[in-house]
Amino acid sequence: GAGVSQTPSNKVTEKGKYVELRCDPISGHTALYWYRQSLGQGPEFLIYFQGTGAADDSGLPNDRFFAVRPEGSVSTLKIQRTERGDSAVYLCASSLYGGSTDTQYFGPGTRLTVL
Amino acid sequence: EDQVTQSPEALRLQEGESSSLNCSYTVSGLRGLFWYRQDPGKGPEFLFTLYSAGEEKEKERLKATLTKKESFLHITAPKPEDSATYLCAVQANDGGTSYGKLTFGQGTILTVHP
Repeated sequence: GAGVSQTPSNKVTEKGKYVELRCDPISGHTALYWYRQSLGQGPEFLIYFQGTGAADDSGLPNDRFFAVRPEGSVSTLKIQRTERGDSAVYLCASSLYGGSTDTQYFGPGTRLTVL
Repeated sequence: EDQVTQSPEALRLQEGESSSLNCSYTVSGLRGLFWYRQDPGKGPEFLFTLYSAGEEKEKERLKATLTKKESFLHITAPKPEDSATYLCAVQANDGGTSYGKLTFGQGTILTVHP
């Protein structure tokens, strides 16, 4: 079946610009997660949605980062006033229930480059 | 604060040369420990979940084990196609709402030469 998909696969932007990254989870998965992975590092948690609501946004680095999931399926990660330090691969994952130890399945990621 | 440390950072093996990767962790309470494989330019691919000390799981040439402080990923008679970055992650039982949060280590880059 179809896995998690993310668009675009690559995004190049200039410092100060606004970007949106999209995630389509596996059909029927109620939980959705965003992570950020810098070169040579493991993924770093950003935010977790259960349905339409953000159950845990403790990983968002500052108020320039915001994510939504209005209908409980597709999610968009929004970054305002981008900085060079935002350059990374942004990974999305989904899981069936979002409960304890529920397996998270990852998408291919969006590589964001801020010039 | 939850911490995960993986060693070695990189490992080069000859085809057929068995070895182990280490994942040391510090958490307030462990809900689960996860192993993922990541190929270049791709997202992490799920391998195993371990829940309690003493537990073991196997898949083809891979075997994961868990103690109270660390996990090992044993690779038996590896093949070149096993070359990838192997990531370890923990989910903590912190009594809060972070049921979804995984804390990852930095990964071990495995290269298997034919």
